[in-house]
Amino acid sequence: KQEVTQIPAALSVPEGENLVLNCSFTDSAIYNLQWFRQDPGKGLTSLLLIQSSQREQTSGRLNASLDKSSGRSTLYIAASQPGDSATYLCAVRSSSSGSARQLTFGSGTQLTVLP
Amino acid sequence: DGGITQSPKYLFRKEGQNVTLSCEQNLNHDAMYWYRQDPGQGLRLIYYSQIVNDFQKGDIAEGYSVSREKKESFPLTVTSAQKNPTAFYLCASSRGNSNQPQHFGDGTRLSIL
Repeated sequence: KQEVTQIPAALSVPEGENLVLNCSFTDSAIYNLQWFRQDPGKGLTSLLLIQSSQREQTSGRLNASLDKSSGRSTLYIAASQPGDSATYLCAVRSSSSGSARQLTFGSGTQLTVLP
Repeated sequence: DGGITQSPKYLFRKEGQNVTLSCEQNLNHDAMYWYRQDPGQGLRLIYYSQIVNDFQKGDIAEGYSVSREKKESFPLTVTSAQKNPTAFYLCASSRGNSNQPQHFGDGTRLSIL
């Protein structure tokens, strides 16, 4: 069964710092990996989707990488801002599970960017 | 604007009562999903539906029921058999292709009176 782990559970950085969030998964047979942002009491906002054949995706100050063979993904945030404060979740869609449309989520990294 | 609408935002359940959470999407997506989120945890899949009039159990379906009579709608009923229903419930949808991202609503927070 696919398991997704995010470390650290919480991270606090000063404004302007570049930072990396980590995601690891146990089964490398995946269709894709998706990074989400969740603000308190809100739903999830999709940030980046990386297909299994891709190595990275970029959107503005965000860059996500995928190393399928080692079961790892990172989300790089450049020049962090207080508005980036949120919980960041990664989720993988396994190709070996009973249904290819199920996502398995990590428990998230709660990011605080201090002004 | 296209999107996913969940209602109500907050819901309270009495002992022995069934309650229904609404999820509507106007994205013309084939697939819809219900997740449960507990504090400090990731999302867990309750039910999903790939097409109208079809749905499948997820990892934690016990105590829940769903219907998919219309493409746009996927309501979730939390039954009295669900003994620990207090959680944040999120609905999502996606195109039928497995390579497409899932899009989420703003959630419903369910509490016990």
